[in-house]
Amino acid sequence: AQKITQTQPGMFVQEKEAVTLDCTYDTSDQSYGLFWYKQPSSGEMIFLIYQGSYDEQNATEGRYSLNFQKARKSANLVISASQLGDSAMYFCAIEAGTASKLTFGTGTRLQVTL
Amino acid sequence: EAEVAQSPRYKITEKSQAVAFWCDPISGHATLYWYRQILGQGPELLVQFQDESVVDDSQLPKDRFSAERLKGVDSTLKIQPAELGDSAMYLCASSSGQRDEQYFGPGTRLTVT
Repeated sequence: AQKITQTQPGMFVQEKEAVTLDCTYDTSDQSYGLFWYKQPSSGEMIFLIYQGSYDEQNATEGRYSLNFQKARKSANLVISASQLGDSAMYFCAIEAGTASKLTFGTGTRLQVTL
Repeated sequence: EAEVAQSPRYKITEKSQAVAFWCDPISGHATLYWYRQILGQGPELLVQFQDESVVDDSQLPKDRFSAERLKGVDSTLKIQPAELGDSAMYLCASSSGQRDEQYFGPGTRLTVT
């Protein structure tokens, strides 16, 4: 079974600053993928970034980057130059082995302030 | 841009009543997922389809929940009878394959009174 742990229930960041959202995972599978999703108050889940377990370089997508430390089983999301529109819930998720279902963490609520 | 469609967006029902949700995945996506998200938690998989076949329904409360994807395209999730604890957001997602991102619909927010 897979498990995702997000230890930060809530985070505050000032506009234009960078913020790191923590995610640790647990799986016995060698092949897995790590995903980050954003969920605004409207409820839809928006895909942000993906990191494969065999990817040697950290994933980046615009202002989002994933700090992947395989030995520590961590996959932290870094958001650079925060914007007010980044205020939302952020979920880390894992897809492992032959299964393609996502196992999500409990999320981190990010609030961007002026 | 292609999207996953879900309806209704909001549903209020009394306990012991039947309720149904509909999902239309992105065209060409063979894999369809139904997740349930209880307030304050992350989504949890209820059922996964590959085309019209159920791949994983281990977390689906089969005494009251049923799901179908008869023609391998759109899908319906039904609850009968609804219980107070079923109040949650029901999210549908689709993907084209393993390790591909899952595209989520806007969800159906269910309130059971």
